[in-house]
Amino acid sequence: AAGVIQSPRHLIKEKRETATLKCYPIPRHDTVYWYQQGPGQDPQFLISFYEKMQSDKGSIPDRFSAQQFSDYHSELNMSSLELGDSALYFCASSLVGLAGGRQETQYFGPGTRLLVL
Amino acid sequence: AQKITQTQPGMFVQEKEAVTLDCTYDTSDPSYGLFWYKQPSSGEMIFLIYQGSYDQQNATEGRYSLNFQKARKSANLVISASQLGDSAMYFCAMREYTGFQKLVFGTGTRLLVSP
Repeated sequence: AAGVIQSPRHLIKEKRETATLKCYPIPRHDTVYWYQQGPGQDPQFLISFYEKMQSDKGSIPDRFSAQQFSDYHSELNMSSLELGDSALYFCASSLVGLAGGRQETQYFGPGTRLLVL
Repeated sequence: AQKITQTQPGMFVQEKEAVTLDCTYDTSDPSYGLFWYKQPSSGEMIFLIYQGSYDQQNATEGRYSLNFQKARKSANLVISASQLGDSAMYFCAMREYTGFQKLVFGTGTRLLVSP
């Protein structure tokens, strides 16, 4: 079965640079989520999109922005990178629709490991 | 306020034995879902099992089962017949169905399976 695809898998940037992370959800999934997992921490929700519209927002810095495109892929744009942005960034997707329940399980991509030097 | 609590930072189990990983949650939403994810050292987040708040029976998925006690607000993961490949970090997570779609995670339990 197709899974969530994220690119790149690893990224090294300097402070104050910009990074763009890409996510391709599971086909027919209508919702994309972004999470940030710092070293030794649990994943923290950043932002989500349902049918290309922002549906929920967590503790996402103003330096970050995201969008979902017509083909349902999503991009997380991170500017003015700081050392503290070094983390594992997950994209997840689910089928929300009207089903509810188990069908709304979020399936995670392999993550993008970002290191800011 | 912490919505998901995992009180066991680490657990040890011998191969072929069963192990229970604890998870308690806090919500005022009558409709919610509880999830367990496995994160091996390679970093990916693997979905294991789901329990809905209205489900009458405890969820099972192969060697994984969820001991759901709604009145106590607990959703413990039981892994039967542990294997060396089960060594990983395990996260309990909750999604409330009123308004928001995000998952809220616990701090995780690191499981080590020994031969």
